[in-house]
Amino acid sequence: QKEVEQNSGPLSVPEGAIASLNCTYSDRVSQSFFWYRQYSGKSPELIMSIYSNGDKEDGRFTAQLNKASQYVSLLIRDSQPSDSATYLCAVDNQGGKLIFGQGTELSVKP
Amino acid sequence: GAVVSQHPSWVICKSGTSVKIECRSLDFQATTMFWYRQFPKQSLMLMATSNEGSKATYEQGVEKDKFLINHASLTLSTLTVTSAHPEDSSFYICSAVGFPANYGYTFGSGTRLTVV
Repeated sequence: QKEVEQNSGPLSVPEGAIASLNCTYSDRVSQSFFWYRQYSGKSPELIMSIYSNGDKEDGRFTAQLNKASQYVSLLIRDSQPSDSATYLCAVDNQGGKLIFGQGTELSVKP
Repeated sequence: GAVVSQHPSWVICKSGTSVKIECRSLDFQATTMFWYRQFPKQSLMLMATSNEGSKATYEQGVEKDKFLINHASLTLSTLTVTSAHPEDSSFYICSAVGFPANYGYTFGSGTRLTVV
């Protein structure tokens, strides 16, 4: 079993819709969780970090964490074509050492 | 804050030569730097962890004699790909952790290495 798993997609949503991205992780001691966005040929950029159970909102983005289910998700409201990218879920187990999922490719159609 | 500068952004080299990639923390002191590699259509894979002033720790399957890492100061780490071959062509990205704490949030801009 992979340490961090995501659906590879591609996930296609129409402009203005909600995009839902999911991630599961295997190590129960994980404490910090991150969502990164990566455009083709570019380095990942941090979108959200979440450390405790529940929801965390930042603009159009909402991260949700459920440690009992070992599940973390990212919702993007009012999706825009500029949101089209690969979204990487990352889990920090050891002070900055990030384990990445394989990424979900999101395509927002105008 | 927490800016990590990486260069070169791209490099083309001949098979058998060596290439050095630099990663600098610009506004904080990086006690630990992480080096990742990303092949096309794949996720980031951690190659090694380097702590300032000590030897790097390599992940399983990564050849330490081929990928030389130096972290001699709190603001600079280098990755040298020695005797590069076409299969080493990849996107190499660094990340840094230090103080003030940023917990590896920030990545460098990456280096696209092409070995011909």
